[in-house]
Amino acid sequence: SAVISQKPSRDICQRGTSLTIQCQVDSQVTMMFWYRQQPGQSLTLIATANQGSEATYESGFVIDKFPISRPNLTFSTLTVSNMSPEDSSIYLCSVAFPGDTEAFFGQGTRLTVV
Amino acid sequence: SQKIEQNSEALNIQEGKTATLTCNYTNYSPAYLQWYRQDPGRGPVFLLLIRENEKEKRKERLKVTFDTTLKQSLFHITASQPADSATYLCAPRADSSYKLIFGSGTRLLVRP
Repeated sequence: SAVISQKPSRDICQRGTSLTIQCQVDSQVTMMFWYRQQPGQSLTLIATANQGSEATYESGFVIDKFPISRPNLTFSTLTVSNMSPEDSSIYLCSVAFPGDTEAFFGQGTRLTVV
Repeated sequence: SQKIEQNSEALNIQEGKTATLTCNYTNYSPAYLQWYRQDPGRGPVFLLLIRENEKEKRKERLKVTFDTTLKQSLFHITASQPADSATYLCAPRADSSYKLIFGSGTRLLVRP
């Protein structure tokens, strides 16, 4: 299992600014993922955070807008850049282990852009 | 493209009844299918996993079926309780990838 801490839990930001969200895991994990959950919607995968290499982005998401760092096996950050009100969402960090096991999620970061 | 569909309308049932939620997928051959529960303001929490070679899986009041011919999974909660009220998400997963793609989720409301 894994315990995931995300910071901040919520923030209100001005449009045009950037916010960096941190994800700390209590054990070393191979796979870390970042999701976005827009109001009333399900989770959409943004990218896979790869340790030691560039993140792998899903269709519709680009590195310039959502740069991701993964400096080691227990930590990752997601930056939401040049924010607009459309970026108002919950952002969630998730980890998975090899094999047919479940994924674990952080409590999420609720972002409001004004 | 891959598509995962769940009942978009909320399911409203009386306490004690069985809730049945549906997950259909297309253009997809998952090796596993997982079900998660999400409460407002929280991240999803894992409930059950079923493999492609399993027809049915049970855990306490929960039961999941997996029909790879119909490309469908059913999630049942028997003897439902108001505490079961939440959004339930299905997530098929291919064998070669650890990433989860979620369905749209179904909100369950259990009336006392």
